[in-house]
Amino acid sequence: GEDVEQSLFLSVREGDSSVINCTYTDSSSTYLYWYKQEPGAGLQLLTYIFSNMDMKQDQRLTVLLNKKDKHLSLRIADTQTGDSAIYFCAERRADDYKLSFGAGTTVTVRA
Amino acid sequence: DAGVIQSPRHEVTEMGQEVTLRCKPISGHDYLFWYRQTMMRGLELLIYFNNNVPIDDSGMPEDRFSAKMPNASFSTLKIQPSEPRDSAVYFCASSWGEHTGELFFGEGSRLTVL
Repeated sequence: GEDVEQSLFLSVREGDSSVINCTYTDSSSTYLYWYKQEPGAGLQLLTYIFSNMDMKQDQRLTVLLNKKDKHLSLRIADTQTGDSAIYFCAERRADDYKLSFGAGTTVTVRA
Repeated sequence: DAGVIQSPRHEVTEMGQEVTLRCKPISGHDYLFWYRQTMMRGLELLIYFNNNVPIDDSGMPEDRFSAKMPNASFSTLKIQPSEPRDSAVYFCASSWGEHTGELFFGEGSRLTVL
């Protein structure tokens, strides 16, 4: 998805917070999603946020949305080794039923 | 529910051969999506169905690719003839109703074309 951009790699120490950033281009996006992909597996929905919200928290996950700048972030508190994976940002536009995915951010958690 | 089930998990074939990938969506889901994942191009949507009807096939690379959904519990993605550049992981995902962004993915079918 060239309409959704993410940095490709993030390295974080165990116990620290991870912040994964994403930018999107379509202002009509209604929902924005974060998916996680572990090695050899399919993508798994982590969380999503509706475009009229600016924050959503779910246990260790916090999603921040800046609609003006079209910027989305995912913060993982107290990052664990099990959080090592590829994280995909995705947008769903108002007039569409399909998602546009970013290229994914590979998160590596080091001890 | 067992989740989205894909088969085969791995397929190795020779250029020119026909490849058929299969998917069983979650029962009750009315949307089914086929994605392809490669290192170079990331995750690409190939086609999606709603109530067994193809809605958008604009992502299908070329005429060598075809997809069908004969009933609510089964879909196939066929490549004929296969080429080395078709090597990728093919994912099937399903969702329901207005929650079309909440996709449930299968484990994927890893295709290698020699």
